[in-house]
This record gives sequence, C-alpha cells and structure tokens, in this order.
Amino acid sequence: AQSVTQLGSHVSVSEGALVLLRCNYSSSVPPYLFWYVQYPNQGLQLLLKYTTGATLVKGINGFEAEFKKSETSFHLTKPSAHMSDAAEYFCAVSELSGNTPLVFGKGTRLSVIA
Amino acid sequence: KAGVTQTPRYLIKTRGQQVTLSCSPISGHRSVSWYQQTPGQGLQFLFEYFSETQRNKGNFPGRFSGRQFSNSRSEMNVSTLELGDSALYLCASSLGAGTSYEQYFGPGTRLTVT
Repeated sequence: AQSVTQLGSHVSVSEGALVLLRCNYSSSVPPYLFWYVQYPNQGLQLLLKYTTGATLVKGINGFEAEFKKSETSFHLTKPSAHMSDAAEYFCAVSELSGNTPLVFGKGTRLSVIA
Repeated sequence: KAGVTQTPRYLIKTRGQQVTLSCSPISGHRSVSWYQQTPGQGLQFLFEYFSETQRNKGNFPGRFSGRQFSNSRSEMNVSTLELGDSALYLCASSLGAGTSYEQYFGPGTRLTVT
C-alpha cells in the first residue's frame, strides 16, 4: 500500500535561507507525487507534481522538487524563503497513473523568521 | 472563474445527529473528491465522484455517505455523529477523474460535534 512520510512536523528557517521539506514515499508501482500548501483557514493549493518524464519539477512561487526513485524521495526546496511562505505543506502520492486517491503525509509546518 | 464553494463554512452538531455538507465545483468540472482533515489523522480521503458515479471510496464507516448530482454539485452526509467526526471537511473538484487532473480545493467546512 502506498504511504508518505514527511520528516519534521515543524521546520523553521530565516528569511532568505534555503527551504528544504522532506518527503519519502512507499509505492509498489511508479507513483504520481504532489506537493500542496495550505494557508490558515484555507483549502489546499497545488505547488507542483511529478507524473512522468523530467525528475526535477518546478512549481509555483519558486518551489521545486526532485523525484529520486532510488531514494524513494520527493523533497521540496526553495532557494530563498519569504515571509509569505509560512504555511503547512503536504506531500501526497497516487498510484496506477493517477487512478488511486491521494494519500497524504502528516504535513510540515514551515515558519519563516525575519 | 469562481472557485470551489463549500457550505456551510462552520457547523456545530450534537452527538447522534446527522449532518449534510455541500460542495459546488468549479464550472465545467465533473469530478468531486472529499477529504477529512484532523490534527491526529491528518488528511484522509473519503470519496471521489465522477459524472454522478462513486469512483473511489476511502476507509470510513458506512455512516459516511455521499452523492453527486447531474450539475456536478456534491453532498456528503454523516449520520449518527460521534465526537471523533469533528474535523475540517474539504472538497476538491477537477475536470476529469483521477489525480492526473489538478484538484482545486475549497476552503472547507469546519464541523464540531459536541
């Protein structure tokens, strides 16, 4: 069965510093992988996704993630954190070319310190 | 274009009662998915509907049910409410079925069971 592990329930970075949010997945077949962001009192917004092809995926707001099959990882990065990046971030996996529902990780709350 | 609308936004119910939540998808979207978000369990998939047919169902008891109408609007119902049903219920719509299509999330309905 597919599953997602997000290392670190809370990550704190200084404004302008590198953001690195970790995600490892478990899947018996080639996965679809997603990163979502949730701001307070709002729904989720898709940041980026990997389905097939290029393993480095660029998303909105300067975020990117790299699919590493050998490490079963899909870590999210951003070179320089902004105060507006403070939110909760969720990694998710889907299988069978997107025909199984999204399975989410527990989430990582990102704080950005001025 | 209007986003996904969920009504009501907040709801307080008593144990044993039933509740119906509503989701209006983005115009032209034919698929609606429902998720439950709690601090303990995180984000969990409830159902997916496409063209009025339930396509996938999560691991929830039979007290949780849903349906989709011909205009793609969806409702979910929870009968015999329990304290543990207190959660944020999120609805997401997409153009087509499955996660190959981007899911657009609504702001959620916050259900409190007392």
